[in-house]
Amino acid sequence: DAGVTQSPTHLIKTRGQQVTLRCSPISGHKSVSWYQQVLGQGPQFIFQYYEKEERGRGNFPDRFSARQFPNYSSELNVNALLLGDSALYLCASSGLNTEAFFGQGTRLTVV
Amino acid sequence: AQSVTQLDSQVPVFEEAPVELRCNYSSSVSVYLFWYVQYPNQGLQLLLKYLSGSTLVKGINGFEAEFNKSQTSFHLRKPSVHISDTAEYFCAVILSYNTDKLIFGTGTRLQVFP
Repeated sequence: DAGVTQSPTHLIKTRGQQVTLRCSPISGHKSVSWYQQVLGQGPQFIFQYYEKEERGRGNFPDRFSARQFPNYSSELNVNALLLGDSALYLCASSGLNTEAFFGQGTRLTVV
Repeated sequence: AQSVTQLDSQVPVFEEAPVELRCNYSSSVSVYLFWYVQYPNQGLQLLLKYLSGSTLVKGINGFEAEFNKSQTSFHLRKPSVHISDTAEYFCAVILSYNTDKLIFGTGTRLQVFP
């Protein structure tokens, strides 16, 4: 079975641009969460979606938004990129229990 | 506010030696506890978890952890490490009443030397 897949794996953007990151959860998982991991730190919670509805939001500005589609895949959008948005963005999916399965992440570099 | 503290940012150890990675948490409500491992340029992999029951939890790759409620700790141990255990290790909690998000510590870099 395929695990959590994220695309792209790496990308470079310029300050002020917008970026969309994509995530496909494990088959059967209806919950998708997004985390930001800045170099040298632990992941920080951004969003959780369940059955296409936002269930939780971390302490991130409104430049960050997300959505979940009927097939439970998800997109994370970041507008007006800042240098400080450079990070590894991790997507996790979970089923009925509390275990979260993580994808390989998308490495975003803002220059 | 809930928080997770990993007391050691780096732990160097020789191969086949035992190791303990320390984790303490702060929460006024009951929590579920997790340890994740992250290899270079990869995502997070679950090592083990404590939800309820026995306070000694065994995970993958020979790791185990013990939940101590009175000391609010969840230290990770392995009796004999291998070179391949070199990685970043993260302790995390989920609040029992809000399973929406994991709260992570800052991580411990385990470096195993031959």
